[in-house]
Amino acid sequence: AQKVTQAQTEISVVEKEDVTLDCVYETRDTTYYLFWYKQPPSGELVFLIRRNSFDEQNEISGRYSWNFQKSTSSFNFTITASQVVDSAVYFCALSEARGSYIPTFGRGTSLIVHP
Amino acid sequence: ETGVTQTPRHLVMGMTNKKSLKCEQHLGHNAMYWYKQSAKKPLELMFVYSLEERVENNSVPSRFSPECPNSSHLFLHLHTLQPEDSALYLCASSQGIGETEAFFGQGTRLTVV
Repeated sequence: AQKVTQAQTEISVVEKEDVTLDCVYETRDTTYYLFWYKQPPSGELVFLIRRNSFDEQNEISGRYSWNFQKSTSSFNFTITASQVVDSAVYFCALSEARGSYIPTFGRGTSLIVHP
Repeated sequence: ETGVTQTPRHLVMGMTNKKSLKCEQHLGHNAMYWYKQSAKKPLELMFVYSLEERVENNSVPSRFSPECPNSSHLFLHLHTLQPEDSALYLCASSQGIGETEAFFGQGTRLTVV
């Protein structure tokens, strides 16, 4: 069973639209960490955010916001007023004690923002 | 400039060749990782090193051989690869394993012919 599910394989939007990327995770640990990374065409994954399991406070960073809900095991990522430069593959990841805290990645969501 | 540098960026090799991928990090991190990213497949963890000790070997074929001579360098030695090994190989490092974010290199695009 997948530990991290990103059900959206590809999302296509027009610039200035808001878009939400879904991430659903599975763990039995009470202590775990969730991450989002962005992979632009250049290849390297760029860290966006880390959240530990004891901090359900939502976070906003500019046009980016994250909604962590333990009740639904979700850690969704919203981009407000999307821009062409947001086009990339976005990965959600989980690290948990049972996995020796080695990160498990979702399959990624490819976001295409059209001008 | 990323703190994790991978060389070469592109590599084409025949199935009988031996080559090595190099990864270097200047971030003072203790953990280093090799990931394989194939088209339309999830990111696959291959190896994890912590303080130069291998802590994870994810059932990777023996034609891939990692080496971590010190905490700043990680190598992936390749020999007798198959065409299905063609992929983007990503190196990453982190302060500790999993509790902190990882920093990734730009990857080596490997093509096996």
